[in-house]
Amino acid sequence: GENVEQHPSTLSVQEGDSAVIKCTYSDSASNYFPWYKQELGKRPQLIIDIRSNVGEKKDQRIAVTLNKTAKHFSLHITETQPEDSAVYFCAASKGDTGRRALTFGSGTRLQVQP
Amino acid sequence: SAVISQKPSRDICQRGTSLTIQCQVDSQVTMMFWYRQQPGQSLTLIATANQGSEATYESGFVIDKFPISRPNLTFSTLTVSNLSPEDSSIYLCSVSQTGGNSPLHFGNGTRLTVT
Repeated sequence: GENVEQHPSTLSVQEGDSAVIKCTYSDSASNYFPWYKQELGKRPQLIIDIRSNVGEKKDQRIAVTLNKTAKHFSLHITETQPEDSAVYFCAASKGDTGRRALTFGSGTRLQVQP
Repeated sequence: SAVISQKPSRDICQRGTSLTIQCQVDSQVTMMFWYRQQPGQSLTLIATANQGSEATYESGFVIDKFPISRPNLTFSTLTVSNLSPEDSSIYLCSVSQTGGNSPLHFGNGTRLTVT
């Protein structure tokens, strides 16, 4: 089955700096790659996703890049703010989006220092 | 996105008992999944809840321990049976709406503590 590796496990940045979280996946058939943000005691919330037919997607301060050849994808957060502090999970699935369950990475705890 | 109501939000149960968790969605959804998130860990898929048929379980999870029902397109239950302290986790329902490429959304989770 699919295996998703995520790093770093923890990341501390100064407010205003950029943060990058990287994930690799094992199944070349995977074609959907979402990122979730989970604040303490809350549910995971989708923040951005990318499908395998595109290489990059942006939404304001958040961007995701995908390298299908290398089977890795990354989350980029620019101009970080204290409210970005949370645990971020990458995930992968194949088949029709939503019809296939997600395999999650191990998570990255991001701390933005004011 | 769909509104997902999961209950109870938390419970403390004794060893050997069972807990049933309910997941109610405000609209029909194609897929419903149950995940487990152990303290400080990532999310692990338990099973896919299939409407009108038996759930599809992932490796390491069995029906006798985690029976699942899905009587219609808006409701599912997960029972965690014969509880042990190792079952203390957050259990999360997730859904994908009907029609095309819809992302997964999660309920608020059930925090289970087994004493």
